[in-house]
This record gives sequence, structure tokens and C-alpha cells, in this order.
Amino acid sequence: GGIITQTPKFLIGQEGQKLTLKCQQNFNHDTMYWYRQDSGKGLRLIYYSITENDLQKGDLSEGYDASREKKSSFSLTVTSAQKNEMAVFLCASSIGGAYSDYTFGSGTRLLVI
Amino acid sequence: GEKVEQHESTLSVREGDSAVINCTYTDTASSYFPWYKQEAGKSLHFVIDIRSNVDRKQSQRLIVLLDKKAKRFSLHITATQPEDSAIYFCAASDRGSALGRLHFGAGTQLIVIP
Repeated sequence: GGIITQTPKFLIGQEGQKLTLKCQQNFNHDTMYWYRQDSGKGLRLIYYSITENDLQKGDLSEGYDASREKKSSFSLTVTSAQKNEMAVFLCASSIGGAYSDYTFGSGTRLLVI
Repeated sequence: GEKVEQHESTLSVREGDSAVINCTYTDTASSYFPWYKQEAGKSLHFVIDIRSNVDRKQSQRLIVLLDKKAKRFSLHITATQPEDSAIYFCAASDRGSALGRLHFGAGTQLIVIP
């Protein structure tokens, strides 16, 4: 079976800092996603990518950049961390297409001090 | 764009009883409705889905119902067990679903009381 790995698991940053989160999958999935999970707000899509070098903005893309240089990896950059920000960032991948479910990574927990 | 609402933020049931979680969606073109489970401290994993060409699907103790007219779908967990305690997320596919983009509800915390 395949696996989707997110690094780091925990990230503590300082206000204004640029922070990068990484995601790798070996399912050979075409489509990858970055979601932000805040308590009580569910999952909000930040960026997604349907193939290598493709990037599509989600509903929450402001303040973030993304990069898909290889099919197997998708990275997310917080361009300027906000003080007291606390959230979980979830990466997911899928085959793509109308009826494909997602496989999620275990998440990166971000705290900005 | 598509909006998915999950009506119960928290649901408590006694072990052995049934639990029902309800969701509504706005986009009549949505054709795919998966459910995900998130146990404490863990990530989400897929549990069951339904496509718009059927109105009911069952997998062991999980039943999903879809009412396209009302744009409503629900997850029924029968004979609940303590290990069913988790946050459950419903989702609906985006218009132009060839892309497979999902929109998620806010989640329902299910507590099964032993």
C-alpha cells in the first residue's frame, strides 16, 4: 500500500516568518491538495494541483504559495506567519476525476509565537 | 460555488443506539458525496460514499441516504460502539466534477457513551 507523508509534524514559527510545509505521496496520484483545519470551521482548501507544475487557488490562498515540482510532492509556504496563529494543515491526494476519494496525510500542526 | 452545511456540531448517543448526521449542499450538479472520519489526534480517513445515481448505500453498520430533491444527505451509524466516537465530515463534489474537488462540512463530533 501507499503512504502520504507530511513534514514536519509540528512547526513553531515567529511572526512574519516564511514557513514551508512538505507533502510526499507514493500512490502515483495525479491530484494533490492542501487544506487548513481550524477548530469548528472544518476544512478549507488553500491550493490544489491536478498534475506536476500545475497550481490552482482554493478558497483560502491569500497568504500562501504552493509548489508542485514533482508528481509525488506538493509543498505549501506560509508567506508571512501571523502572530498567535494556530492551525492544522492537511495534505491529501487522489487519482482525480469525478468519484475519487482523498487520502489524507497526518497533518502539520502550526503554532506562531 | 458549492456550500456544504453539517447540521450537528456535536452528537451524543448511548452505545448500541443509532446515530444520524445530516448534511445539505447547494450545487445541484454535485454527483459524489463521501464521508470521512477523524479520530482524536489523527488525520481523516474515508469511510463511505454515495453517488448521485442511487439514493441509498450500506456498508456494514454504515448507511448513507441521498435526497437529491432536498439536496440533503445523511450518515446513519447503527449499533454504535465506543470506537465510533470521532469527528465525521461530509463532503460534496464541485460543479464540473471531472476535477473531483470536494467541499467539506464543518464536522460533527460524535460521542458514543458506553
